[in-house]
Amino acid sequence: SQQGEEDPQALSIQEGENATMNCSYKTSINNLQWYRQNSGRGLVHLILIRSNEREKHSGRLRVTLDTSKKSSSLLITASRAADTASYFCATLETSGSRLTFGEGTQLTVNP
Amino acid sequence: EPEVTQTPSHQVTQMGQEVILRCVPISNHLYFYWYRQILGQKVEFLVSFYNNEISEKSEIFDDQFSVERPDGSNFTLKIRSTKLEDSAMYFCASIEASTDTQYFGPGTRLTVL
Repeated sequence: SQQGEEDPQALSIQEGENATMNCSYKTSINNLQWYRQNSGRGLVHLILIRSNEREKHSGRLRVTLDTSKKSSSLLITASRAADTASYFCATLETSGSRLTFGEGTQLTVNP
Repeated sequence: EPEVTQTPSHQVTQMGQEVILRCVPISNHLYFYWYRQILGQKVEFLVSFYNNEISEKSEIFDDQFSVERPDGSNFTLKIRSTKLEDSAMYFCASIEASTDTQYFGPGTRLTVL
């Protein structure tokens, strides 16, 4: 498997439900970031969690990080149709400055 | 809110031609990046740039690629002789050093025919 793998690859839920996406990685990281991408568009930064943090909240978003398992989760609560997009995790390794992206989770929120 | 801008939004070129993709990073940012995303695939790092020089590059960033910051605002990616497999969305990003957050531009879709 590759650095920054998300699961599931695709998730379809009803409006109002919660959506949980997971990300696993392989190397030591400085931080992990979640991005959103609407079809054919740019990447919108959602939230950054540092390696010494375990949980972070931003509005309807909750991110957790477990460095012992090298995994993170993104929870979107009370989803809306407008949340429909692809969600990517990206890790910044302790050495280097590049972000390494996962394959992404395609979230569909049905009205 | 300040944002990263990129031009053009879509570029179509013939194989073998040179292309220059342009980016204007956020004004007080000091680190700049190029990434690409082939259709249906994940985003891949190309190069990072700091203090007027390349700080890191990936194996994708071969001799056909170059970057430049020709003035105080623009950051460019040049592909000297495009190949079909260079067709992708190219994203520029800049970083706010105090937070490590990378802010991405809307991308340039490059189509090589």
